[in-house]
Amino acid sequence: EPEVTQTPSHQVTQMGQEVILRCVPISNHLYFYWYRQILGQKVEFLVSFYNNEISEKSEIFDDQFSVERPDGSNFTLKIRSTKLEDSAMYFCASSEYGGLWNTEAFFGQGTRLTVV
Amino acid sequence: QKEVEQNSGPLSVPEGAIASLNCTYSDRGSQSFFWYRQYSGKSPELIMSIYSNGDKEDGRFTAQLNKASQYVSLLIRDSQPSDSATYLCAGGKDMRFGAGTRLTVKP
Repeated sequence: EPEVTQTPSHQVTQMGQEVILRCVPISNHLYFYWYRQILGQKVEFLVSFYNNEISEKSEIFDDQFSVERPDGSNFTLKIRSTKLEDSAMYFCASSEYGGLWNTEAFFGQGTRLTVV
Repeated sequence: QKEVEQNSGPLSVPEGAIASLNCTYSDRGSQSFFWYRQYSGKSPELIMSIYSNGDKEDGRFTAQLNKASQYVSLLIRDSQPSDSATYLCAGGKDMRFGAGTRLTVKP
């Protein structure tokens, strides 16, 4: 069964460093998402991506963050100048359709980011 | 900001009972809604999607959508201890999530 894959499963980084989280969405899906979940808190929307550009972004997704689809399969989230409060689980998801008539999103297993 | 709200606190039901979970949303343009289940330390897993007003049943799960009231609900019949998890409502063009409702099913 097709699935979303994320790498790495766990990333430890020093404060101030840049990290890149990687995702391979399901191959026929057109919409991609990144979410963040701080331990014990809600799943927070960061950004959605369609047709090689950002479709929507939340107030969390500031200049510290960027997304890219560098090739036909990968979808990446870059976090610059990491802070302690960036420590969280980051989930990638993809769906066949998006917008107001979006279809179900399928999630990867997540990358646990720990900033020390 | 277009929100999806789940305001109910932790829910505890005995095994075999019906668990009722609720969600409201603010964007009247939203057409699609989803219920996910999340076990601790795991990623959200899709339970059901609902696009039309009314009820949609899948096994022990029934999702209900009322677009006039901007309300989505999930009923779990014959609750089992394995249903114990956090249930997340999602919808809107951002696919935003509510805060979740932690369900505990006691044997």
